[in-house]
Parts: sequence; C-alpha cells; structure tokens
Amino acid sequence: AQKITQTQPGMFVQEKEAVTLDCTYDTSDPSYGLFWYKQPSSGEMIFLIYQGSYDQQNATEGRYSLNFQKARKSANLVISASQLGDSAMYFCAMRGGSARQLTFGSGTQLTVLP
Amino acid sequence: DGGITQSPKYLFRKEGQNVTLSCEQNLNHDAMYWYRQDPGQGLRLIYYSQIVNDFQKGDIAEGYSVSREKKESFPLTVTSAQKNPTAFYLCASSIIGYNEQFFGPGTRLTVL
Repeated sequence: AQKITQTQPGMFVQEKEAVTLDCTYDTSDPSYGLFWYKQPSSGEMIFLIYQGSYDQQNATEGRYSLNFQKARKSANLVISASQLGDSAMYFCAMRGGSARQLTFGSGTQLTVLP
Repeated sequence: DGGITQSPKYLFRKEGQNVTLSCEQNLNHDAMYWYRQDPGQGLRLIYYSQIVNDFQKGDIAEGYSVSREKKESFPLTVTSAQKNPTAFYLCASSIIGYNEQFFGPGTRLTVL
C-alpha cells in the first residue's frame, strides 16, 4: 500500500520569500513517481512538478523545485520568490510501480502575504 | 483548445436519485480517472479506465458506476446506494506510460 503524508495543514509566507512544503511517502515499490499539484479556490488541479524514483537530480520547473531525499522518503516542494497568486492548496501525490492511479496527501493550504 | 470538460459545474440532487456526471476529453488520452474530494481533504480514486470498454475500481467505488464506450468520454453515475455523495468530483486523463494526469474543472455535487 502507498501512503502520502503532508503534515502542514496551513502555511504562511511573505511575498518574494521562499517556502518549503513538506511531503513524506511510504511505498514498497522500487519504481515510483512523485507529483505536486496546485489547487486554487476555483477547484482545478494544476500539475506543477514530477520526480521519478530513479532520477539522479532534483526536478525543477521555473520557481518550483522538488527536494527529493530518497533515503528519508521525502519529496518537499520548494517555491522560490513567492507571489500572491501562489496562494492555493498544494497536494503531493504518488504513483507506484505499474499502477496508473495517483495516491494523494491531505494537502497544505499556502497563503502568501503582501 | 485541447482539454478536459466536465459538466455541469454545480449539480443538486434529491436523496434516492441517481445522477450522471459528464467527462469529455479531446487530448486523445487512453486513460481516464474519476476522483472524489471532500472538504479539506485530498483526492480519492473512484474508478479508472485504461482502454475503451474496460475499467477498474479504485479505493471508493461503492455506490458509483462508470462506462467507457468511447475513448473521449468517461461518465460517472452516482447511484442512490452512495451513502454520502455530496462532494467535489474531478475527472482526469493521461497518456499510458506518461506521468502527468490532466484534470478537468470539476463538478460540485450537493444532495439535498
């Protein structure tokens, strides 16, 4: 069974500062993928970044980077230079082995303060 | 524009009634998924389909049914057997073998 844990129900960050959103995972599959999605108040899910379990380097996409620590089973999202539009719910998710579906964490509500 | 459409955006239903949520995609994706989201929680998988005329149950399939008669369409029926159907429902699709799932805008179902 796969499990995703996000321990921060809510986070606040000042505009233009960096913020780290925590995610730990548990799986017995040697091959897996880790995802981060953003959900604004409108409800749509927006894909941000992906990290494969065999990827040697941490994934980066613009202001988003994924701090992947395999031994610790953590996949934290780092947002640099926060913007007011970054205020949203953020979900960490995992796809394990040959499974096609995603397992989601409970999310972190990020609020960017002006 | 390519994407996933879900209709309606808001849906109200009386207890004991079945209701069908629409999901259509023009991305030519093979796989489609239905998720349920309750307030303050993550998404849970209801059903998924990797090919036409085939689908598998997810973690919370009880009280739901689906069909996949066309590649582009994956409707979800919420039956009267679903004890607590009020929730936000999200449809997604993906290319088999690729990582990213693309999501539709969602349908908010309220049972009165």
